[in-house]
Amino acid sequence: KAGVTQTPRYLIKTRGQQVTLSCSPISGHRSVSWYQQTPGQGLQFLFEYFSETQRNKGNFPGRFSGRQFSNSRSEMNVSTLELGDSALYLCASSLDLLGNTEAFFGQGTRLTVV
Amino acid sequence: KNQVEQSPQSLIILEGKNCTLQCNYTVSPFSNLRWYKQDTGRGPVSLTIMTFSENTKSNGRYTATLDADTKQSSLHITASQLSDSASYICVVSFAGGTSYGKLTFGQGTILTVHP
Repeated sequence: KAGVTQTPRYLIKTRGQQVTLSCSPISGHRSVSWYQQTPGQGLQFLFEYFSETQRNKGNFPGRFSGRQFSNSRSEMNVSTLELGDSALYLCASSLDLLGNTEAFFGQGTRLTVV
Repeated sequence: KNQVEQSPQSLIILEGKNCTLQCNYTVSPFSNLRWYKQDTGRGPVSLTIMTFSENTKSNGRYTATLDADTKQSSLHITASQLSDSASYICVVSFAGGTSYGKLTFGQGTILTVHP
């Protein structure tokens, strides 16, 4: 059974640009959640999508957005990139709602903003 | 404010020794508490997940305990191996209202196992 797949693995963008990251969950999983990991702040919850609906949102500005498609695949978008957005972005998939079930993480996308 | 605090920040032990990592949280109400292991450059991997009514859960050489009254959890690693070198992260799932399922992460404990 394939795990959670995130693409691309590495990305370099310029300040002010926008970026889209992709996450393919484990087959059959309906929840996809996104996280930002930095050395200073650790892991922080961005948002959760379940059945194409955003269920929960962390404390991030509106520049961070996401969506989920009918096949449960999810994308995360960051607009007007800032240097502080440089981080490892992780997604996780869960069979059911994130709060009820185990989350399986992908390898992450390493975003560098220059 | 819902928070998760882990101690120590880092720990160095010799192979074969046991160790215990601590997690204190203020998240309330909570539905479950999780421990993850994260190797450098990789995504976290789940070790245990405990609901508020569970006191202990084991996964091989890893045993997690939970005291919901004192809002404390610990992760005990027995007979450590070099491959246990990683960051161990405590995560609490919020169980309140419209933010049900929102996860709050501790900063992690970096464990280094020396031969």
